[in-house]
Amino acid sequence: SQKIEQNSEALNIQEGKTATLTCNYTNYSPAYLQWYRQDPGRGPVFLLLIRENEKEKRKERLKVTFDTTLKQSLFHITASQPADSATYLCALGAGTASKLTFGTGTRLQVTL
Amino acid sequence: DADVTQTPRNRITKTGKRIMLECSQTKGHDRMYWYRQDPGLGLRLIYYSFDVKDINKGEISDGYSVSRQAQAKFSLSLESAIPNQTALYFCATSDSLAAETQYFGPGTRLLVL
Repeated sequence: SQKIEQNSEALNIQEGKTATLTCNYTNYSPAYLQWYRQDPGRGPVFLLLIRENEKEKRKERLKVTFDTTLKQSLFHITASQPADSATYLCALGAGTASKLTFGTGTRLQVTL
Repeated sequence: DADVTQTPRNRITKTGKRIMLECSQTKGHDRMYWYRQDPGLGLRLIYYSFDVKDINKGEISDGYSVSRQAQAKFSLSLESAIPNQTALYFCATSDSLAAETQYFGPGTRLLVL
């Protein structure tokens, strides 16, 4: 069965450092992968999308990589700030008419 | 996202009761989704609708039903609530022209006693 793994343990980093979150998947051939941010008690908010033929995507302090051979995506936040503290979800989709399959998320805590 | 609203935001009900969760959107999107979120299990798809006349079961549809009353409204019903349906429920929308990105409502926290 399809499986998406994100580190269930919280990631604690110091302000100003780069946070790196991992999303691994098995038994899946996604056409694209997305990252969402979720704050406590709120709905997920879309951040970035990367397609299977793309290696890297950037948006401001965010960078996503996608390795379909390793079946892995890395999500980086550079110059992290306390306001970046949240849970980050990865989601995979197989095509424009498909549904998204979400990982369980990794909680990021950025401290001063 | 204020463009996607859910009511109620919190609800406590008893086992065996029928309950309806409502979702409305002003984004003009044609696709709508219902998810539930449980600790350690992530978001799981219950039902989805690609337009008013198209409704599909998701990963965990047993015990739930939906109604797409209009393009902007998508309701989720628990026919006879049971305690393991206690969860956080999210509605989401997407545009068929940019279907990959989904926009989520604020969620409904449901407790079934």
